[in-house]
Amino acid sequence: NAGVTQTPKFRVLKTGQSMTLLCAQDMNHEYMYWYRQDPGMGLRLIHYSVGEGTTAKGEVPDGYNVSRLKKQNFLLGLESAAPSQTSVYFCASSYSLNGGIQYFGAGTRLSVL
Amino acid sequence: GDSVTQMEGPVTLSEEAFLTINCTYTATGYPSLFWYVQYPGEGLQLLLKATKADDKGSNKGFEATYRKETTSFHLEKGSVQVSDSAVYFCALTPWDQGAQKLVFGQGTRLTINP
Repeated sequence: NAGVTQTPKFRVLKTGQSMTLLCAQDMNHEYMYWYRQDPGMGLRLIHYSVGEGTTAKGEVPDGYNVSRLKKQNFLLGLESAAPSQTSVYFCASSYSLNGGIQYFGAGTRLSVL
Repeated sequence: GDSVTQMEGPVTLSEEAFLTINCTYTATGYPSLFWYVQYPGEGLQLLLKATKADDKGSNKGFEATYRKETTSFHLEKGSVQVSDSAVYFCALTPWDQGAQKLVFGQGTRLTINP
């Protein structure tokens, strides 16, 4: 009964390094999302996907790329990390017509020095 | 654009106290409204929802009523417990968004002391 699994849980990067965050869901959901959570700002949508092979920009997409090669996986990439990308990243998934009910992973805490 | 505003936190209460966390929204049309809760070290999970005006969402003793006239969706609980300590997020789904995107408020941290 895994639900939404994010790896890694913690990561420290130096400015300019790259990394990929992995999100996997076992609920056969069509939609997947990446958010970032910053103090006092709630969650903001980075990118989302409405199905395998599709991606779209959210509210704060700059500096990030995503891929959804398999329905169950949604990858978030940082090509050249910057200190402004220090944040907690959450992945979520949902059925396509589920009225806004999303299922969240436990998050990845990323620090960029 | 659509937005959600929550009362400033953090909020600290004693066990069995009455809880209100205010939430107001700005949106066109008829959004659906949600409260999500984030327990320490975990991701967000849905607490309750309401999809139209005057609907009341409820779960685990929490309640919130969709008030279109005041554009509000305040969260209430009559008697809080230590286990209710968490961060609470008010959110909406814009009614014309096919991807079911959520717009979140900034979150309110609640601490309940025994």
